[in-house]
Amino acid sequence: GAVVSQHPSRVICKSGTSVKIECRSLDFQATTMFWYRQFPKQSLMLMATSNEGSKATYEQGVEKDKFLINHASLTLSTLTVTSAHPEDSSFYICSARSSSYEQYFGPGTRLTVT
Amino acid sequence: QKEVEQNSGPLSVPEGAIASLNCTYSDRGSQSFFWYRQYSGKSPELIMSIYSNGDKEDGRFTAQLNKASQYVSLLIRDSQPSDSATYLCAATFRDDKIIFGKGTRLHILP
Repeated sequence: GAVVSQHPSRVICKSGTSVKIECRSLDFQATTMFWYRQFPKQSLMLMATSNEGSKATYEQGVEKDKFLINHASLTLSTLTVTSAHPEDSSFYICSARSSSYEQYFGPGTRLTVT
Repeated sequence: QKEVEQNSGPLSVPEGAIASLNCTYSDRGSQSFFWYRQYSGKSPELIMSIYSNGDKEDGRFTAQLNKASQYVSLLIRDSQPSDSATYLCAATFRDDKIIFGKGTRLHILP
């Protein structure tokens, strides 16, 4: 099956700093990638849709200036959490959509802001 | 409102029995349907996709789609303790966005 990687898998940062998370589709090209956030024991929450070569589409309530998304190529999307605060601590998961509309998830990044 | 509805569970099934997971969706125009498995602390893993009415089998898993009733189900035969997880149902809507249900927690009793 299709493989999506995410880096880093875990990151601890201090409040006020920025963190970049990379999402790569390893064996297929993905014109569309998605970024989700999941708090413990809660369901996936879609943050934004990332389209290669264009601006990301953010879901209602997600601050686009805080969560910067760049989809520079057909295999790479990045999410930068700017000026992180403890309430941004969460499990961030990306996914990439194949040509058959199947969505494959990366392994996730656990962010802890101290 | 685009919705995918699932019973949150937990659904408890004895080891070796058939686990039946159900899902309904709101948009008759939905074309593609997916089942994901998510273990605690891990990201979702795609286990089945189904696009046309009827059954689709893959190993111990069978997905069933009934577009007239807007209903998707997943059957897991010979349930194993390793099947204990949260199962997410997902459907694409007219704008190609995939909407996920909140998931059903499945617990296989040894």
